[in-house]
Amino acid sequence: RKEVEQDPGPFNVPEGATVAFNCTYSNSASQSFFWYRQDCRKEPKLLMSVYSSGNEDGRFTAQLNRASQYISLLIRDSKLSDSATYLCLLGGSYIPTFGRGTSLIVHP
Amino acid sequence: EAGVAQSPRYKIIEKRQSVAFWCNPISGHATLYWYQQILGQGPKLLIQFQNNGVVDDSQLPKDRFSAERLKGVDSTLKIQPAKLEDSAVYLCASSGQGRGGYTFGSGTRLTVV
Repeated sequence: RKEVEQDPGPFNVPEGATVAFNCTYSNSASQSFFWYRQDCRKEPKLLMSVYSSGNEDGRFTAQLNRASQYISLLIRDSKLSDSATYLCLLGGSYIPTFGRGTSLIVHP
Repeated sequence: EAGVAQSPRYKIIEKRQSVAFWCNPISGHATLYWYQQILGQGPKLLIQFQNNGVVDDSQLPKDRFSAERLKGVDSTLKIQPAKLEDSAVYLCASSGQGRGGYTFGSGTRLTVV
């Protein structure tokens, strides 16, 4: 099993849809979790940290499930501008490791 | 706050040549990372520095790659000699205390021909 796994997609959704991505991990000692957004030919940019209690930022909600070893990202009311690749990152004292990313395409 | 600076933005070299990339992290960030991102994949950590010491370089191909951060601030990553499969984007990131995540530079896109 890979250390960090993500469905590469693409997820092709209409504007206004709700879409969710998961990222599963194998190292139970992972301490910090993040979602990054990467646009084509650009560097990854931090979207949100993922806390044990879950956190929300506008249309975006991130959750951590330690028992099942996955994190999730929910995007509500998708916009065309949400089209990008979404990468999960496991960090902390553990070697920071990215998933391969999930491609999201939001169409009119 | 200034971001992570990287140069050059693009580099094209022939195989077996050498190349160097430079990174200046966010001021005050003690930890610096070099990642390699091949098209269609997530970034892969090559080396992690804490100040001027190496924390992890287990995924660095040491026969051809080297990196240093002599004064605990900026860093260079070198490839010598380059191979075709080294074509990728080389991303530098830095992080500070707390849970703020990692900030990336804009990367160097290397093409080996």
